[in-house]
Amino acid sequence: DSGVTQTPKHLITATGQRVTLRCSPRSGDLSVYWYQQSLDQGLQFLIQYYNGEERAKGNILERFSAQQFPDLHSELNLSSLELGDSALYFCASSAETGTEYGYTFGSGTRLTVV
Amino acid sequence: DAKTTQPPSMDCAEGRAANLPCNHSTISGNEYVYWYRQIHSQGPQYIIHGLKNNETNEMASLIITEDRKSSTLILPHATLRDTAVYYCIVRVPINEKLTFGTGTRLTIIP
Repeated sequence: DSGVTQTPKHLITATGQRVTLRCSPRSGDLSVYWYQQSLDQGLQFLIQYYNGEERAKGNILERFSAQQFPDLHSELNLSSLELGDSALYFCASSAETGTEYGYTFGSGTRLTVV
Repeated sequence: DAKTTQPPSMDCAEGRAANLPCNHSTISGNEYVYWYRQIHSQGPQYIIHGLKNNETNEMASLIITEDRKSSTLILPHATLRDTAVYYCIVRVPINEKLTFGTGTRLTIIP
């Protein structure tokens, strides 16, 4: 157990639908990062939140949004889903400072769009 | 972040030392070298990091050349469970995203 909890582990849904992926960071970590990994593709950074506020944005589609709540858990919302959105979605958390081995990844949510 | 170059794939016999190279010729003075690995569809796992001195922990050793333009990750006694994609990342240690390249797919052969 890495300390970063992602739910659900698996999700199957139809095109056009909306889903929410949840991430609870490691205790004490204020930053949450979301990554997407499509089949046989690399890890693509989507977005970072720090203590409730958006800090950095990567290649995140307009159909996707995220937020971080006061208890520091984060949710990634994916809407108008397309077949190409099928992927592994990872959440990571890190502490504020660090020459860090502070980046800890969750086990991911496997999203399948049919 | 400085760019890194890694071989796309490597094989290593079980029980032998696995030596994974990484070139980072444009590394800056304040950038660290980090290694992560991803075991089949699991979340990436931190292995080790260093600035200029060699580092060792319970998982691996990191050898950084004196000019810091390249480094080698050493898994001293590779097991089948070490089969994974290994990522070398060079960056300043601040609270920002990790950028993953394509890494090296290491296969441990029985």
